[in-house]
Amino acid sequence: GENVEQHPSTLSVQEGDSAVIKCTYSDSASNYFPWYKQELGKRPQLIIDIRSNVGEKKDQRIAVTLNKTAKHFSLHITETQPEDSAVYFCAAASSGTYKYIFGTGTRLKVLA
Amino acid sequence: KAGVTQTPRYLIKTRGQQVTLSCSPISGHRSVSWYQQTPGQGLQFLFEYFSETQRNKGNFPGRFSGRQFSNSRSEMNVSTLELGDSALYLCASSFSGTGGHTNEKLFFGSGTQLSVL
Repeated sequence: GENVEQHPSTLSVQEGDSAVIKCTYSDSASNYFPWYKQELGKRPQLIIDIRSNVGEKKDQRIAVTLNKTAKHFSLHITETQPEDSAVYFCAAASSGTYKYIFGTGTRLKVLA
Repeated sequence: KAGVTQTPRYLIKTRGQQVTLSCSPISGHRSVSWYQQTPGQGLQFLFEYFSETQRNKGNFPGRFSGRQFSNSRSEMNVSTLELGDSALYLCASSFSGTGGHTNEKLFFGSGTQLSVL
């Protein structure tokens, strides 16, 4: 069945370092890959997304890369700050299914 | 624009009872999805509604049901509650989902935290 694997489950980095979270999806029909950030006790918020016709997308300190052949996509956060501490979820969706398959989340801790 | 609103924020129920959760989407959004969030399991898709029609359903037992009203507001119901139903239930809305070859961005509510005792 459809599945998204996300690694690592927890990640601790020093402030200013980079963080990378990786996801692998199983459904080759997936064509949309969003990333959500969920701070403690708050709602998941979309931070960046990428469609299957693009290999990389950047937004300030955040970037996402997609390798369709390997069915991998990754979130890169540079110059991490304490406010980046949160749980990050990747997801995959395919047109016309109206559902997102989420990874199990990565708890990122940025140490000051 | 007001965001996605879910009520109530917290619920405590006992096994065997039933519960109804409510979701008001962002104004103009006609698609509403529901997800169950549990520690370590991420977000699991429950169902999606558009124009009062369920377009997709996840792998949950029939005790989980939902509906959407003509104003796009949605409710989900869980009957005969079990301890394992304790979770954060998140509602998300998007514009239409009818883009055909494109998916719409999802905007989440704050969720309803359900505890089953």
